[in-house]
Amino acid sequence: SQQGEEDPQALSIQEGENATMNCSYKTSINNLQWYRQNSGRGLVHLILIRSNEREKHSGRLRVTLDTSKKSSSLLITASRAADTASYFCVFTGGGNKLTFGTGTQLKVEL
Amino acid sequence: EAGVAQSPRYKIIEKRQSVAFWCNPISGHATLYWYQQILGQGPKLLIQFQNNGVVDDSQLPKDRFSAERLKGVDSTLKIQPAKLEDSAVYLCASSFSGSELFFGEGSRLTVL
Repeated sequence: SQQGEEDPQALSIQEGENATMNCSYKTSINNLQWYRQNSGRGLVHLILIRSNEREKHSGRLRVTLDTSKKSSSLLITASRAADTASYFCVFTGGGNKLTFGTGTQLKVEL
Repeated sequence: EAGVAQSPRYKIIEKRQSVAFWCNPISGHATLYWYQQILGQGPKLLIQFQNNGVVDDSQLPKDRFSAERLKGVDSTLKIQPAKLEDSAVYLCASSFSGSELFFGEGSRLTVL
């Protein structure tokens, strides 16, 4: 399977702390995206980083990409209870095929 | 701007019955995807359309699943006959550029 691997599978933190989740993949990619999925809902696009970029910011989100290690990380700073959700990396490989990671379940407690 | 619409939101059927899910993508989005998401897992691509042509259906169980996208707009995903392992959320997504995906709320199927 070409599915990306994410770790940790689950993460529980206190509100105000930072959350970091990682994604690894095996093929060469054109870009990598991160999505959030609240329980029982559809997925929402968070951020896209291209293969020639190393870091990108959007509000409280910071994404890094290391193509030599075939890995990416998503950092959420100053987390809030509303950030509780599952987070998926999605990478675009050859033929513009999108592949989802296994997901990280984040729980932010008050 | 209206999002991706899916119906029904929930469906409960018995095994060997049939079910159909409908998706209306965002206007102007040429690419449409159907994903299957089993509880606790990431979405798995079932089929990808570009306009009304199939781009990728390599993971679609064609003996029981079928999908069509008439006129390159709405799409229907059908399962016939359903098996217990088909219990999942079926997500429809559309894309303008082929990169950022816009997802519907999903259709949750329970097969008893």
